[in-house]
Amino acid sequence: ETGVTQTPRHLVMGMTNKKSLKCEQHLGHNAMYWYKQSAKKPLELMFVYNFKEQTENNSVPSRFSPECPNSSHLFLHLHTLQPEDSALYLCASSQDRAAAWPQHFGDGTRLSIL
Amino acid sequence: AQSVTQLDSQVPVFEEAPVELRCNYSSSVSVYLFWYVQYPNQGLQLLLKYLSGSTLVKGINGFEAEFNKSQTSFHLRKPSVHISDTAEYFCAVSLNDPRTTSGTYKYIFGTGTRLKVLA
Repeated sequence: ETGVTQTPRHLVMGMTNKKSLKCEQHLGHNAMYWYKQSAKKPLELMFVYNFKEQTENNSVPSRFSPECPNSSHLFLHLHTLQPEDSALYLCASSQDRAAAWPQHFGDGTRLSIL
Repeated sequence: AQSVTQLDSQVPVFEEAPVELRCNYSSSVSVYLFWYVQYPNQGLQLLLKYLSGSTLVKGINGFEAEFNKSQTSFHLRKPSVHISDTAEYFCAVSLNDPRTTSGTYKYIFGTGTRLKVLA
């Protein structure tokens, strides 16, 4: 039990589909993150939300659209993805961004684009 | 520019042998240091952290790490590994984000070291 739950765990979709990844944290944290983890590449920070406000977007293509309706939930909406978007998408949370808090990760969504 | 380097992409070691996973960082400001472990099909889990105080930090599962400021290193060690320690290990630093004035911190992860424990 990590305190951060991601659904679905696995997702296979075509390039023209629209789907969403969901992340929920039960830790009372105020900062949430989306990361992309690809084989043989460093962990890539995609988006950061702090107190529901997006504070960081690391040049992520617009086919990825995040949504943070409250401090406990984070979504990643996907549309017209490319094969290179196949990866493990990890959600994380931390107390906030104003101190060196450790991050707590979910188990990820394994995304495969056909 | 700040960076984290894990020079060893893979480390094979026999069961019950000691292991050291190396981590070096580059930063002109003070940093906080972390080690995470990722087991297959799981997310990253915090092993230990150094924020201040004693430079030798003990974590879960018998791991420890030592902060060496002069060498800008934070190597992870375990005196005797088990098969169950087979996983990927990530070093990370947290530092004050110079791009902001609001005092937010940013994380930088290393590229990971795959520890393979052999029977």
